[in-house]
Amino acid sequence: AQSVTQLGSHVSVSEGALVLLRCNYSSSVPPYLFWYVQYPNQGLQLLLKYTTGATLVKGINGFEAEFKKSETSFHLTKPSAHMSDAAEYFCAFQRSNTGNQFYFGTGTSLTVIP
Amino acid sequence: DAMVIQNPRYQVTQFGKPVTLSCSQTLNHNVMYWYQQKSSQAPKLLFHYYDKDFNNEADTPDNFQSRRPNTSFCFLDIRSPGLGDAAMYLCATSLGFKDTQYFGPGTRLTVL
Repeated sequence: AQSVTQLGSHVSVSEGALVLLRCNYSSSVPPYLFWYVQYPNQGLQLLLKYTTGATLVKGINGFEAEFKKSETSFHLTKPSAHMSDAAEYFCAFQRSNTGNQFYFGTGTSLTVIP
Repeated sequence: DAMVIQNPRYQVTQFGKPVTLSCSQTLNHNVMYWYQQKSSQAPKLLFHYYDKDFNNEADTPDNFQSRRPNTSFCFLDIRSPGLGDAAMYLCATSLGFKDTQYFGPGTRLTVL
């Protein structure tokens, strides 16, 4: 079965500290992986995605993620947290061979402490 | 800018009173999706259209229906809303199934 797991439903970091949000996937075929951000009462905005090629993917707002096949992980990082990064973050998985289903993780709420 | 638009942003309806949510896109994408997102949960896919081909997720209640009269518009109809249907409803589009999904801002539905 295909799935994506986000470890930690709530993460708090101090402003200026490293942000690390964890995502692991389970798939029998090569995955497409995504990170979305959702601000309160808004839709989801794509931060970055991995399909093929370079395993370190850079996204918007200074975020990046690294696809590690050996660890089945796609963790999201940002070197220095900003207050505006406080939001809900969703990792998502898509089968590369069919693509007709999106599996979302349960989300991680990021709090940034001033 | 090309985008996904949802109207209204906030909708209040009464228990059992039919309601329709609207989604439009200027991206000319083939696929349109409707998701339901309850508080503090991940979005859950209800159904999607590839062009005019409709696909209903197995666990989507019969109370939820959808229409796609043309490429640009897709509607979500809730025939008899219950209190449990209060949620954020998200519309998304993608060029094809293997392509990135772009989301609208959502419609927050309140059922009184």
